[in-house]
Amino acid sequence: AQKVTQAQTEISVVEKEDVTLDCVYETRDTTYYLFWYKQPPSGELVFLIRRNSFDEQNEISGRYSWNFQKSTSSFNFTITASQVVDSAVYFCALYMNRDDKIIFGKGTRLHILP
Amino acid sequence: GAVVSQHPSRVICKSGTSVKIECRSLDFQATTMFWYRQFPKKSLMLMATSNEGSKATYEQGVEKDKFLINHASLTLSTLTVTSAHPEDSSFYICSARNPRHAYGYTFGSGTRLTVV
Repeated sequence: AQKVTQAQTEISVVEKEDVTLDCVYETRDTTYYLFWYKQPPSGELVFLIRRNSFDEQNEISGRYSWNFQKSTSSFNFTITASQVVDSAVYFCALYMNRDDKIIFGKGTRLHILP
Repeated sequence: GAVVSQHPSRVICKSGTSVKIECRSLDFQATTMFWYRQFPKKSLMLMATSNEGSKATYEQGVEKDKFLINHASLTLSTLTVTSAHPEDSSFYICSARNPRHAYGYTFGSGTRLTVV
């Protein structure tokens, strides 16, 4: 089966707290890409990161960091010192080389409370 | 760079009419574009893959005659919702593969369709 699971439907944290969004994926492909997108209330999808299946290095970009672990098929996303502007729906997605398409998880709605 | 323009951003139409949504890659050529549908508070569901100069590939369960896709040029794909019904009301998003980036996908800003 090919799927992306974001078990956290909705999360609320107080501003300045750290928060981790979980993503677990399943794929039969050995070559694949994982993505995180942010969808603010306006609706557009904002690209955050792409990681290929052969690169398990963790990445940090400002307050954002990602932890990719093939052993557990997880690609978690952490926001450090959260801000109200981080409030949005976050989608984890999987590109499957064999099928040439991207599938999305159900998304996690993140509320950052002032 | 890598901008995808989707138009209109919002549209309201009457039941039984058809609506066309455009997806344009502004600064790159896209041989492949994708159309997604998103229900309120739900994930994005891939509807079809649009290939320039050939027929679109539809996902299982998506009605080809209902959702007509045309990809007549390397920068434009259109989705026409024919004989729209209230249950077609949704958020539709297109995406284009940007050849400058391996497996890079740029998304349009989406179209909110309301059928009354």
